[in-house]
Amino acid sequence: TQLLEQSPQFLSIQEGENLTVYCNSSSVFSSLQWYRQEPGEGPVLLVTVVTGGEVKKLKRLTFQFGDARKDSSLHITAAQPGDTGLYLCAGYYGGATNKLIFGTGTLLAVQP
Amino acid sequence: NAGVTQTPKFQVLKTGQSMTLQCAQDMNHNSMYWYRQDPGMGLRLIYYSASEGTTDKGEVPNGYNVSRLNKREFSLRLESAAPSQTSVYFCASKTFIGSPLHFGNGTRLTVT
Repeated sequence: TQLLEQSPQFLSIQEGENLTVYCNSSSVFSSLQWYRQEPGEGPVLLVTVVTGGEVKKLKRLTFQFGDARKDSSLHITAAQPGDTGLYLCAGYYGGATNKLIFGTGTLLAVQP
Repeated sequence: NAGVTQTPKFQVLKTGQSMTLQCAQDMNHNSMYWYRQDPGMGLRLIYYSASEGTTDKGEVPNGYNVSRLNKREFSLRLESAAPSQTSVYFCASKTFIGSPLHFGNGTRLTVT
């Protein structure tokens, strides 16, 4: 069982649709990051959220950290084919601020 | 900028063989990490090194050993490879607490 569970595992949508990806845990995280990974490459950081309840926007992407710092969500508005990729949440676990644990991942495919 | 360099890119081993995966970063980062990525499992932390001279276990350390040779280099060794270790291995580094991880492009390992 992984500490960070993401849902859905797979998502295939049409261009222009909205979607939300969830990242959940029973543990509290001091901060949480979202990464995006393309085939054949390593993940690249999108955002870091630190404060419970925090909301950050990155163009059409909106990230929220839960009030209790146990969960987070990523909302994409008007998805585009360029948004296709594997989305991963990651959190610093157990007060050990160098131990970064990743979620199970959400594979998003946006069809033109 | 080279960033994080992993060698080799691909490797095929027979059960019981040993090998070392190499990782080097040229960004003067303090912390370095080894992850493995399997379908539907996101990234799982094998070992990490918060700073030169220290190493700690991650989520799935069994069957692996690591060496932080110096600030630049962090190697992962499989003493007796097993088919369950077939995976894509990623090395990553970061500079300070909460900063983003910078990933290499991965080593694809197959154990037959």
